[in-house]
Amino acid sequence: DTGVSQDPRHKITKRGQNVTFRCDPISEHNRLYWYRQTLGQGPEFLTYFQNEAQLEKSRLLSDRFSAERPKGSFSTLEIQRTEQGDSAMYLCASIPWQGGDGYTFGSGTRLTVV
Amino acid sequence: EDKVVQSPLSLVVHEGDTVTLNCSYEVTNFRSLLWYKQEKKAPTFLFMLTSSGIEKKSGRLSSILDKKELFSILNITATQTGDSAIYLCAVAGAGSYQLTFGKGTKLSVIP
Repeated sequence: DTGVSQDPRHKITKRGQNVTFRCDPISEHNRLYWYRQTLGQGPEFLTYFQNEAQLEKSRLLSDRFSAERPKGSFSTLEIQRTEQGDSAMYLCASIPWQGGDGYTFGSGTRLTVV
Repeated sequence: EDKVVQSPLSLVVHEGDTVTLNCSYEVTNFRSLLWYKQEKKAPTFLFMLTSSGIEKKSGRLSSILDKKELFSILNITATQTGDSAIYLCAVAGAGSYQLTFGKGTKLSVIP
């Protein structure tokens, strides 16, 4: 499979716990994006990496959220002290440096905070 | 702040009907407009439009962009039940290629 992979597909956690998601982009894509999608809404931008550098963060990304992309390959998104409002689909996408014909999205990680 | 508004938010049609989905936008330094189809999973890419007035077509789906009036339409002819999905419109500004999405149009095609 040469697409964008996300793991896990589903995560149920208790409020207050920490969770970490992983994204493996298409190997030759050096731009990687995280989005969050809640019910009835389109995806909302969270953060963006170019290689290993985190170049942009949305104000949606509170202090409880942190993202990394060590070595410019896979990326992780961690949420600390989860809240019920964090329940959403977390989507990862990648594109090559020059843009190209649309993003490739991963299948997403659906987080439910109980 | 970039903004995308889609209409209608939901639509129910019968198989064989033709539908038109609308997307209007405001974006700083427009780069491209994209349409996605989303079923119960991640969005799948349909079209990317960068030039005004040039129609992109794929089978029964087509889309066109009007950069002067800041909108795009997605047409689906001879709809099928498999077209039932949420159709998302997004715009990319210059620089980071970050996408701003609309809320989507939920299309339901009934036999």
